[in-house]
Amino acid sequence: EAQVTQNPRYLITVTGKKLTVTCSQNMNHEYMSWYRQDPGLGLRQIYYSMNVEVTDKGDVPEGYKVSRKEKRNFPLILESPSPNQTSLYFCASSRTGGVGQPQHFGDGTRLSIL
Amino acid sequence: QKEVEQNSGPLSVPEGAIASLNCTYSDRGSQSFFWYRQYSGKSPELIMFIYSNGDKEDGRFTAQLNKASQYVSLLIRDSQPSDSATYLCAVNHGTGFQKLVFGTGTRLLVSP
Repeated sequence: EAQVTQNPRYLITVTGKKLTVTCSQNMNHEYMSWYRQDPGLGLRQIYYSMNVEVTDKGDVPEGYKVSRKEKRNFPLILESPSPNQTSLYFCASSRTGGVGQPQHFGDGTRLSIL
Repeated sequence: QKEVEQNSGPLSVPEGAIASLNCTYSDRGSQSFFWYRQYSGKSPELIMFIYSNGDKEDGRFTAQLNKASQYVSLLIRDSQPSDSATYLCAVNHGTGFQKLVFGTGTRLLVSP
């Protein structure tokens, strides 16, 4: 089954404790992206990757890191999480980074930073 | 001005009616437009996409695009209670590569 898999689905942690949210897709998609969703603000892009070893900042990259060493994986790293990073996070992928490609979303990760 | 604007709702319609959801965007260079449905606590699910002016129909759903007026709409015919969700409009800016900007969504409530 074609899917985007995120782990963990839920995480409660404390300020400053490094964490990684994994994202994996099995569709051989070139393009992957991370979003956060907050009430009243909608989905905002954090980082994206056009292909292996190619990543770039989205609209809200501060406090986050990503890497794309393999085509299927695109982990999101919070080196020193803070409470303002409490949010619902989604990973998404599309076949290419070209205009018009529909994005497919993972099930989401709900992070609470205390 | 937000780049992609949607009325937050809720938009309430009775079962069997037509639900009309609207979205306006600010970037005239935008080239592709998407509608996603999101149930509470779930991930966005692609319903339709449209690139050209006019209407595009898929089952009970019709997307309408008017680039001159910078709006895109989604019509849901024969609305069902299972259609109750938040509908997100997403616009791909015409920068030559994937750059989706999402609206904050319209909540639709379909009453039996």
